[in-house]
Amino acid sequence: DTEVTQTPKHLVMGMTNKKSLKCEQHMGHRAMYWYKQKAKKPPELMFVYSYEKLSINESVPSRFSPECPNSSLLNLHLHALQPEDSALYLCASSQAPGQQETQYFGPGTRLLVL
Amino acid sequence: AQKITQTQPGMFVQEKEAVTLDCTYDTSDPSYGLFWYKQPSSGEMIFLIYQGSYDQQNATEGRYSLNFQKARKSANLVISASQLGDSAMYFCAMSRGNMLTFGGGTRLMVKP
Repeated sequence: DTEVTQTPKHLVMGMTNKKSLKCEQHMGHRAMYWYKQKAKKPPELMFVYSYEKLSINESVPSRFSPECPNSSLLNLHLHALQPEDSALYLCASSQAPGQQETQYFGPGTRLLVL
Repeated sequence: AQKITQTQPGMFVQEKEAVTLDCTYDTSDPSYGLFWYKQPSSGEMIFLIYQGSYDQQNATEGRYSLNFQKARKSANLVISASQLGDSAMYFCAMSRGNMLTFGGGTRLMVKP
């Protein structure tokens, strides 16, 4: 089973709201990722967690705050977002960190910031 | 720095025919991984196939095969016997450590 789940599927929020995206995997994977994908563009890496510790932050603005409460869960907390943050947010996981490891993606959360 | 290039923004293929999606890459690392993903309009990125830089043989997974030409730095995806459900965006990606870098994608449309 290579399933990664994400909730919610769709989210509309105002610029003053606080919301969270949730990602879950039960494959025993020890690396988890957040990507942002704008329309008609490829995904761009935001954060990487390895063994529940943040290992890569691709210079993401602080209005995005990741959290890894345990090895199966990954959250992305959103606060004071801008309309240009509207995008598809994809979560992925891999068995371990490393370039030979396949990343398996969830279905994504489509975020609209008004 | 790594770079992945997909030169075909969009392609048509007749159902049941084979199609090749192009991917070239640039890296100075001797060790890297190459991946292909399919993204239907629903948004999920579906893993298709993987090729390691030291793998001697081309990877195959069912109807998907990867034509790996290391000297040319190309990793083209071949889909045999196209089906209507193959219509989607296809992304080539290269890994370096934990990081995946994606090409710009190719939109494949299968005609009945």
